[in-house]
Amino acid sequence: EAGVAQSPRYKIIEKRQSVAFWCNPISGHATLYWYQQILGQGPKLLIQFQNNGVVDDSQLPKDRFSAERLKGVDSTLKIQPAKLEDSAVYLCASSQEETQYFGPGTRLLVL
Amino acid sequence: EDQVTQSPEALRLQEGESSSLNCSYTVSGLRGLFWYRQDPGKGPEFLFTLYSAGEEKEKERLKATLTKKESFLHITAPKPEDSATYLCAVQGRYAGANSKLTFGKGITLSVRP
Repeated sequence: EAGVAQSPRYKIIEKRQSVAFWCNPISGHATLYWYQQILGQGPKLLIQFQNNGVVDDSQLPKDRFSAERLKGVDSTLKIQPAKLEDSAVYLCASSQEETQYFGPGTRLLVL
Repeated sequence: EDQVTQSPEALRLQEGESSSLNCSYTVSGLRGLFWYRQDPGKGPEFLFTLYSAGEEKEKERLKATLTKKESFLHITAPKPEDSATYLCAVQGRYAGANSKLTFGKGITLSVRP
């Protein structure tokens, strides 16, 4: 069974630029999550989708971050404009029940 | 608000030297406590889910246990390939089976040959 796919794996941008990350969840998983993991910290939930509806986006900085999940499958997370403090690993996870399975992450460095 | 505290922050063991990693938590009704392993440059890999106090689960050299306030990940006779960061997370009962995970900062384990 294929795991959660993410791209790109690495991204370096200048502050105030925009960036987008893509996630393809495990086939059949209705729930999709985006987490932010800052170096030395555990992952923190940014947004959770159930099919293509948002369940929880309480910790998403909505002035600069946006996410969508078209047709209830793939998802895109966007940052515009990026700040230095956005440097982190962005992890996508999916679940069918309570166990969440993570992708390899996208490592973002904002200079 | 759910909280997870892991200790120690880092642990260095000699190959074959058994030890335990601690995860203390506070949550308004526990749905599940999760252990993940994370290797450098990779996403977290699922290890165990524990649901109620007294429950234990084992996988190779790892055994996870749960009380009402904390969980332990016991590592028996570790090998260098067990070196990784171990993350603990809790899921509250209030928001359903697919609710978010609240993670601790992780424990970085290094096993020397």
